[in-house]
Amino acid sequence: GAGVSQTPSNKVTEKGKYVELRCDPISGHTALYWYRQSLGQGPEFLIYFQGTGAADDSGLPNDRFFAVRPEGSVSTLKIQRTERGDSAVYLCASSPDPRDRVYNEQFFGPGTRLTVL
Amino acid sequence: GENVEQHPSTLSVQEGDSAVIKCTYSDSASNYFPWYKQELGKGPQLIIDIRSNVGEKKDQRIAVTLNKTAKHFSLHITETQPEDSAVYFCAASTVRTGRRALTFGSGTRLQVQP
Repeated sequence: GAGVSQTPSNKVTEKGKYVELRCDPISGHTALYWYRQSLGQGPEFLIYFQGTGAADDSGLPNDRFFAVRPEGSVSTLKIQRTERGDSAVYLCASSPDPRDRVYNEQFFGPGTRLTVL
Repeated sequence: GENVEQHPSTLSVQEGDSAVIKCTYSDSASNYFPWYKQELGKGPQLIIDIRSNVGEKKDQRIAVTLNKTAKHFSLHITETQPEDSAVYFCAASTVRTGRRALTFGSGTRLQVQP
C-alpha cells in the first residue's frame, strides 16, 4: 500500500518568509510525527499528534513553528519568519494507533528539504 | 531526557564481511529500539526493531542484540552486499510516560566495497 507522502519534496524560500509543509500519513494510522534532520545528523523530534490533537509538542524549537492536523489525517507544519538555521530536511512519520500497542513502530516519509536563503 | 550515542560514525567493509554498529542509551525506561536505514535523498526505512523483553532478534542477514543492564544495543549485518551501503540510525523510545518520540543516534555511514 501507499506509504507516507510529503509535499513539496523541496522548498526554497527567503529569510523572513512563511512556509507550509504537508504530510499524508499511511491510511488508517492515527499517530503522526514530525522530525527535523540537519545535515549529517539523526532526526530530531518536533511534535506528535494522536488523532487531531497535539499530544506532545515538546520538540518544537520556538513559537515560529506550529503544526495542525484538523481532520486527524493530513498534517501541515507551518514555519513563520523563517531563518537560515531552519534549513533542514523535515520528516513526517506515522504509526498505527499506539494506544492499542505497547510498542511504537514509526514509518517515515521521504521528507521535505527546506532551504532558507 | 533520553540520549543515544552511536558508533562508529563511518564503517567500510569488504563485500561478504560482517558489519557491527553499536549504540548506548541513557534512559532506563526506554523499551523500544528500532534501527533505520537511510539512503541518499530518502527518508529513514525501518529495517528491524527490538523490544525490552527480548535479548536478540534476527531477520535473514540482520540481527539486533539488546543488553538492558548495560544499556546498549547493536546491529549486526552478515554477508554484506553493496546495496547495504547507506546511513544506519539507531533509536530509542519509551511509551510509559505517554511520549512517543524516538531519540536517534547520530548515524553510521556504511560503505560496502565490492
